[in-house]
Amino acid sequence: DTGVSQNPRHKITKRGQNVTFRCDPISEHNRLYWYRQTLGQGPEFLTYFQNEAQLEKSRLLSDRFSAERPKGSFSTLEIQRTEQGDSAMYLCASTTPDLASPLHFGNGTRLTVT
Amino acid sequence: QQQVKQSPQSLIVQKGGISIINCAYENTAFDYFPWYQQFPGKGPALLIAIRPDVSEKKEGRFTISFNKSAKQFSLHIMDSQPGDSATYFCAASASWGKLQFGAGTQVVVTP
Repeated sequence: DTGVSQNPRHKITKRGQNVTFRCDPISEHNRLYWYRQTLGQGPEFLTYFQNEAQLEKSRLLSDRFSAERPKGSFSTLEIQRTEQGDSAMYLCASTTPDLASPLHFGNGTRLTVT
Repeated sequence: QQQVKQSPQSLIVQKGGISIINCAYENTAFDYFPWYQQFPGKGPALLIAIRPDVSEKKEGRFTISFNKSAKQFSLHIMDSQPGDSATYFCAASASWGKLQFGAGTQVVVTP
């Protein structure tokens, strides 16, 4: 399967701890997106990269959140000093520059902050 | 604020019936309108998408109807099957990839 891969699938952490998630996009996709989905809601845009450049960040991405894509391939999303409100599914998606190409989502990392 | 409003929140349809989900938007800059299907524990998967230069697009049992003047679009699932039971999200985008999603509709197809 050459789809978008996200690790870990589940993460349980205590409030105040730092967590890091990884996303491996489809190999020829140069655009990579992070979304957050809470229970019963649609995904919300967090940030996106074109190659290694982070081109846009949502207001939802507080100072405790940081995302990187150092070599234009995989990406990491780090949350520092986690809060219970950070509990959600974090989704990664990738696509090519081709306007006809849709976003391909991974299966997400479910974060639970206790 | 939610830029794409989706209804109903949930619906139950009998096998073979038609499921209809509606969405409305405000931003006239939106130029791409996809529908995604999501199963529990999985990421959203693209079902079908439309651009505002056409009023309808059909792919198999799935049809999008688009009304540009009313700023509304809808998904019709014909001949609904139990395997269609999932959550469906409409979305809209004004710049490629930055999708604004609706809140989702949970569809249950009964045998």
